[in-house]
Amino acid sequence: GENVEQHPSTLSVQEGDSAVIKCTYSDSASNYFPWYKQELGKRPQLIIDIRSNVGEKKDQRIAVTLNKTAKHFSLHITETQPEDSAVYFCAASIGHNFNKFYFGSGTKLNVKP
Amino acid sequence: DGGITQSPKYLFRKEGQNVTLSCEQNLNHDAMYWYRQDPGQGLRLIYYSQIVNDFQKGDIAEGYSVSREKKESFPLTVTSAQKNPTAFYLCASSSAGTDGQFFGPGTRLTVL
Repeated sequence: GENVEQHPSTLSVQEGDSAVIKCTYSDSASNYFPWYKQELGKRPQLIIDIRSNVGEKKDQRIAVTLNKTAKHFSLHITETQPEDSAVYFCAASIGHNFNKFYFGSGTKLNVKP
Repeated sequence: DGGITQSPKYLFRKEGQNVTLSCEQNLNHDAMYWYRQDPGQGLRLIYYSQIVNDFQKGDIAEGYSVSREKKESFPLTVTSAQKNPTAFYLCASSSAGTDGQFFGPGTRLTVL
């Protein structure tokens, strides 16, 4: 089955700096890649996603890039703010009529004011 | 945060007891999922269901059971066969197709 690896496990940045989280996947059939943000004790929330027919997607301060050849995708957060501090999960899925999701192990992002 | 709810928020179980965690959604989603999250860990899939009256085992189904009698509901039973059930349990749903998942608020289960 699919295997998703996520790096780094922890990331500490200064407020205003950029943060990058990287994930790799193993199954070239994966075609959908969501990113989730989970604050302490809360539910994961979808923040951005990308499909395999797109190389990059941006939503305000966050962006995701996908390299299908290398089988990796990345989350980019610019102008980080303290409220960006959370655990971020990447996921990959293979689906046409239904998606089964495979999650990375998470990155704990700490934005220092 | 409406749309998908879980109850209870906190649950305490004595050893040897079965307990059932509730998950309800009003998003008209076909697919529903149960995940387990341990401290500092990612999400591990327990069971998932694509349609009513059908469900499949995920990666860690042993000691758990589910039912899907209604589209809106996907309860999870943690049986006494699950030897280490203390964890945060998350239910999720997604529309049929290839959309992302929406998660419930979670149930924190503790074995006494």
